[in-house]
Formats: sequence, C-alpha cells, structure tokens
Amino acid sequence: GESVGLHLPTLSVQEGDNSIINCAYSNSASDYFIWYKQESGKGPQFIIDIRSNMDKRQGQRVTVLLNKTVKHLSLQIAATQPGDSAVYFCAEDTGRRALTFGSGTRLQVQP
Amino acid sequence: EAGVTQFPSHSVIEKGQTVTLRCDPISGHDNLYWYRRVMGKEIKFLLHFVKESKQDESGMPNNRFLAERTGGTYSTLKVQPAELEDSGVYFCASSKRTGEKLFFGSGTQLSVL
Repeated sequence: GESVGLHLPTLSVQEGDNSIINCAYSNSASDYFIWYKQESGKGPQFIIDIRSNMDKRQGQRVTVLLNKTVKHLSLQIAATQPGDSAVYFCAEDTGRRALTFGSGTRLQVQP
Repeated sequence: EAGVTQFPSHSVIEKGQTVTLRCDPISGHDNLYWYRRVMGKEIKFLLHFVKESKQDESGMPNNRFLAERTGGTYSTLKVQPAELEDSGVYFCASSKRTGEKLFFGSGTQLSVL
C-alpha cells in the first residue's frame, strides 16, 4: 500500500464543520469527473461522480459542483468527521476511462 | 465480495533487476487498469485491458514495461530492467463494464535502489 505524499496542499477543519475541496481540471473535452478519497496504505476509494451535463450532484454528506465555464470542480463534505481525514483527488475522463488525476488535497479534521 | 487485490504490497529491488507486479481484479470485471504514482506526483494512467486485450496502452512509459492479462483474469506488470525513476506506487483498478466506476486496489509500493 501507499504512504500518501507529504507535499500536498492541506485543508484543516474542525469536526462538525463543512469542508470544501477544490480542483481545477485541464481538458475541456472531459465529460466525466470523479472524486476519490485515499487513506494511508489504501488505494483511491470512489466517493462521488458527475457527468458534464450536470452542475451539481449530491450524495450522503457529500456534494460535487461542476463549473464547466471555468473548468472547476469542488467537493463539499457536510459535518466533517475524523474519519474523513484523508487525501482527496479529483479525476477527469474524456470517455476513454484513462483517468487524469489532480495532485490531491490533504484534509485534516481536528477533534 | 473481494476487492481488487495486488501483490506484493511492497517490493524493494536494485537497479537493473526485474520485478513483476500482480493484480487480481474483482471477479467478473472485464476492465482492468494499471496506474502509477511516482515521486509523489499525480496518479497517472498506464494502460487498460478489456478482458485479455490491451484497449489502450498510451500511458506505458517505455518498453521496459510489459503488461499481460492472459485468460482475461489476473494481470501482471513486469518492469525489466528496473530503473531508479520507476520507484513509486503502482495501482490496479477494475470495472465490470467500460464506463462504470473503477475500484482500486491498495497498490504496490516499488522502491528501486
């Protein structure tokens, strides 16, 4: 398994607060976007996805927003919990399913 | 249901040696992908199998890397000869059908000394 990289932007939040993690994607032809969560020693775990014909999608405690005009994706986590602490990656796909991953953001939840 | 499993979890080899990584996808998943993360950089696509056929190998860095999926079940990724810059984490992922979400394994941490 992997010990996730040290030099990542970090978002530190208090337990119970909402978290917003942002991602800029590069390819205007991308039509499918995914957020992954990676905990230490594990592989990326699917959180939520969104297709380019949508601008918002909600899951359980998570919401993804897509702004195609500025090629921006965000992940909102409601009532952040200590178990949410991890590295979060956005990924984009042009349809080939050869995903292009962002560099990741580390989320630290303070009790 | 077992997830995607990768073996070994860690491998330490010397430059010039050969290493073979193995991935067992989720049973019934026709699509199998290899990705890698080197030097703490982004996770990058290597290649995609549909059953035993290579659908897309555009991400393979050079001819020192050879991926196989004989019989369309498990896959191996061989690096021969390994170089220092090959160090990183190699992830495997699978999906039942093309276009469906990917399930990732925990990765193989490869260190080339």
